[in-house]
Amino acid sequence: DAGVIQSPRHEVTEMGQEVTLRCKPISGHDYLFWYRQTMMRGLELLIYFNNNVPIDDSGMPEDRFSAKMPNASFSTLKIQPSEPRDSAVYFCASSFEGYGYTFGSGTRLTVV
Amino acid sequence: AQSVTQLDSQVPVFEEAPVELRCNYSSSVSVYLFWYVQYPNQGLQLLLKYLSGSTLVKGINGFEAEFNKSQTSFHLRKPSVHISDTAEYFCAVSEAREDMRFGAGTRLTVKP
Repeated sequence: DAGVIQSPRHEVTEMGQEVTLRCKPISGHDYLFWYRQTMMRGLELLIYFNNNVPIDDSGMPEDRFSAKMPNASFSTLKIQPSEPRDSAVYFCASSFEGYGYTFGSGTRLTVV
Repeated sequence: AQSVTQLDSQVPVFEEAPVELRCNYSSSVSVYLFWYVQYPNQGLQLLLKYLSGSTLVKGINGFEAEFNKSQTSFHLRKPSVHISDTAEYFCAVSEAREDMRFGAGTRLTVKP
C-alpha cells in the first residue's frame, strides 16, 4: 500500500488566491482527518469524515475553509481566499475504525 | 473533553543513553493512548498505542510506553537511543475512536 498520499507537497500562493489541497486515503479506511500544524498552535484537527460524510468541522477556522470527500478515495481542503496566516503544514490522515491514524507527508502551504 | 500535556518541550541526550519522554493526560472516561514520531519534513508515524490489556506497550524502533491509570500518564521510554532517533515525538489521547487530541510535542535530540 502506498499509504496516505497528499498533493502538492509544497504550495506557494499569493494572498487572495484559492488553494486546493488533495488527499488520497488508504484503501479500506473509513475515517479521514484533516490537520493543520504550526509552531504556535501545534497540531489542530480541522475536520473529519466517516464513510465520506463530514462528521465534525468545528475545527475549521472560518468560512474561507471548506472540505469535501466526494468518494472513499479522495478528499480536498480548499481555502478561498487565502491569507498569510493560513501558512502551515496541512496533514491528511486516515484510519480504519478510528484506532491509530496513518498520516500523509503533508502539504507545506506558504501564502505571501 | 480529553487533553494531553507533554511535560518537556526539548530533551537532549547522548547516544546510547536511556531516555524517557513524559506524557500526562486528563479525561473523565476510559481513553486510548498513542505515541507518534515525526522526522523532519515528514508526516507523523505511529510508534505504539494502548487500547486495552497489558499496561506495558512495545512499539517500533525499540520504544515502549507504560500506561499508568492512577497517575494518568503514558511515558515513552527507550533504553539506548541512536542518532537516528532525533525527531519530534507526539503523545495523543482519544476518548472516542475519532477524536484524537495531540500534545505539543517533545523534540528529542540525540548527540554523539
